[in-house]
Amino acid sequence: AQKITQTQPGMFVQEKEAVTLDCTYDTSDPSYGLFWYKQPSSGEMIFLIYQGSYDQQNATEGRYSLNFQKARKSANLVISASQLGDSAMYFCAMREGFNDYKLSFGAGTTVTVRA
Amino acid sequence: DADVTQTPRNRITKTGKRIMLECSQTKGHDRMYWYRQDPGLGLRLIYYSFDVKDINKGEISDGYSVSRQAQAKFSLSLESAIPNQTALYFCATSDSWGASNQPQHFGDGTRLSIL
Repeated sequence: AQKITQTQPGMFVQEKEAVTLDCTYDTSDPSYGLFWYKQPSSGEMIFLIYQGSYDQQNATEGRYSLNFQKARKSANLVISASQLGDSAMYFCAMREGFNDYKLSFGAGTTVTVRA
Repeated sequence: DADVTQTPRNRITKTGKRIMLECSQTKGHDRMYWYRQDPGLGLRLIYYSFDVKDINKGEISDGYSVSRQAQAKFSLSLESAIPNQTALYFCATSDSWGASNQPQHFGDGTRLSIL
């Protein structure tokens, strides 16, 4: 079974608007971490934000925030005030357990910001 | 200089050839990983290594082998390349002594095309 599901292959957003990227996950381990990475067209993987399963508050990093709904097993990324430079592919990934640092990735969502 | 360096950045080769992709890091991390990225599939783990003497198969290790020559170096080999191994390959590192919210750090990727 897929551990990470990203159901939106591609999205368009107007510059300066907010966009929400969906991510649902599947794990039976009570300890896990969720990561979001950005991959611009140049190909590198850029870490954006992290949410731990025991974190009481939703993570925020600048214009990025996580809408973490543990009961629903979802960790949606919200990008506020979109910029042209936000056009990229975005990946949600999960680490399970404390000691195992392997990541399981979703298929990714391509975001295109329109001027 | 990049913390995680992959060489070559691009490679075109023929079916049946042996290919080695190299990864070196200056981050001092003990754990290293090889992933491949295919459109619509995200990143999938090929092999990972927790230290020089500890190498483990990932989700899709068939057709690949690895060598951890030193803590800072982790190479991926395709013994007899086939066209469906055409992909973008990433090396990543992490620190087992780091906090659980520490992300994996990725190299810039190697685009491999097998004709």
